[in-house]
Amino acid sequence: DQQVKQNSPSLSVQEGRISILNCDYTNSMFDYFLWYKKYPAEGPTFLISISSIKDKNEDGRFTVFLNKSAKHLSLHIVPSQPGDSAVYFCAASSSGGSNYKLTFGKGTLLTVNP
Amino acid sequence: DTAVSQTPKYLVTQMGNDKSIKCEQNLGHDTMYWYKQDSKKFLKIMFSYNNKELIINETVPNRFSPKSPDKAHLNLHINSLELGDSAVYFCASSHQIGTGFSGELFFGEGSRLTVL
Repeated sequence: DQQVKQNSPSLSVQEGRISILNCDYTNSMFDYFLWYKKYPAEGPTFLISISSIKDKNEDGRFTVFLNKSAKHLSLHIVPSQPGDSAVYFCAASSSGGSNYKLTFGKGTLLTVNP
Repeated sequence: DTAVSQTPKYLVTQMGNDKSIKCEQNLGHDTMYWYKQDSKKFLKIMFSYNNKELIINETVPNRFSPKSPDKAHLNLHINSLELGDSAVYFCASSHQIGTGFSGELFFGEGSRLTVL
């Protein structure tokens, strides 16, 4: 039962362009969402998060958009850089982030070509 | 300095054996976790400890037993290993809820377990 879905296993973009990674969720109780980035042979690292009371959160080149009615969120990276090449995991939690349990998607491999 | 360190990084063993993976964090966090990433690439939580107390115990076979001797350590012991246990196991830590927990987990590099 995939409660968090990342339907694109991979994405390839040109350096300097925008990367858009998508994530869908099915559990209506989820109200806190996070993105993690993972390089090969390393553990995931936290990138950005958003609460369901917002529809956008921005941190430098990274912006997360949340569409609650569609149960969809997306991560925009602009401009994309070769160092952004990694696997990106979407994760969700309930109880406004006061719940230790995160449910992760399968990840999307982003490749940024120079 | 490695914030969350796991040993061993690679482990190859035979079915039926018992093995342990150790985890240590030097971030001063109160909460630690074990996650499993299987062949389908999902990262699934197995256990979580807060101040040495078990707070999350997902539907994991009881062949898996976590042990937290202190707040900085959370070890994973697996008895009678099976082929399906082959996966990458990630340890993680975080702040405690109410003291800065934002959902941000700090992960170790992972321990790749291969059961033959």
